[in-house]
Amino acid sequence: DVKVTQSSRYLVKRTGEKVFLECVQDMDHENMFWYRQDPGLGLRLIYFSYDVKMKEKGDIPEGYSVSREKKERFSLILESASTNQTSMYLCASSPQAEYTEAFFGQGTRLTVV
Amino acid sequence: TQLLEQSPQFLSIQEGENLTVYCNSSSVFSSLQWYRQEPGEGPVLLVTVVTGGEVKKLKRLTFQFGDARKDSSLHITAAQPGDTGLYLCAGDPSSNTGKLIFGQGTTLQVKP
Repeated sequence: DVKVTQSSRYLVKRTGEKVFLECVQDMDHENMFWYRQDPGLGLRLIYFSYDVKMKEKGDIPEGYSVSREKKERFSLILESASTNQTSMYLCASSPQAEYTEAFFGQGTRLTVV
Repeated sequence: TQLLEQSPQFLSIQEGENLTVYCNSSSVFSSLQWYRQEPGEGPVLLVTVVTGGEVKKLKRLTFQFGDARKDSSLHITAAQPGDTGLYLCAGDPSSNTGKLIFGQGTTLQVKP
C-alpha cells in the first residue's frame, strides 16, 4: 500500500518558535507538496519540489521554507511561528506522469499559541 | 490565477437522496481529480477524468468532465451515511507542472 507519513498528527507551539513538519513517502515519487487547509479556503499550496534539492514557491510561501535533501523526505519549516499559521498542514506526493494524481499524508493539525 | 469554484459548499441530506456537486472554472485543465476527505485524515483520490465529455462511474458515484475541460460534476445516487465527508475537486493545469489547483470543497452530511 502506498504511503505518505507525516511525523505528527497534532502539534502545539508557541509564537516565535521554529517549527519543523516532516513528511516521508515510500513510493519513489519525484514530486512532493506542502499544503495548508483552512475552512472555506480549500487547500492552498505553500511549496513544492519536483526533485531532490529543488523547490518552488506555491501560492502562499511567506513565513515558510522547505528542505528536500533526500527524495523520500520533504520538510516544511516555520521560521518563526505566528498565530495565523494555526492550520491543518497536508503533505502530498505524486509521480512525474502525464496526469498528476496526489497521495496525501494524514495531516498535521498545528496550533500556535 | 486559475481558480476552481465548487458548489455547494455545504450539503445536508437524508439517506437515499440524490445529489450533485459542481466544480467550475474559466480555465482549461488537462485532467481533473475528485478527492474525498474524512475528518482528521488526508484527502483520498476517488477518480481522475482526462477527456472532455468523459463519464466515469464508481458504484453510486458518477463523475463527468465537461466537453471543454473547464468543469466537472460529481453525482451521488441514493446517498448513504458512509458518503459523509469533504469532497474536493482538483485540476491539473494544461502546463502539466505537477501542481494541482483545489476547489474550496463541499462538506456533505448524509443523515440516517
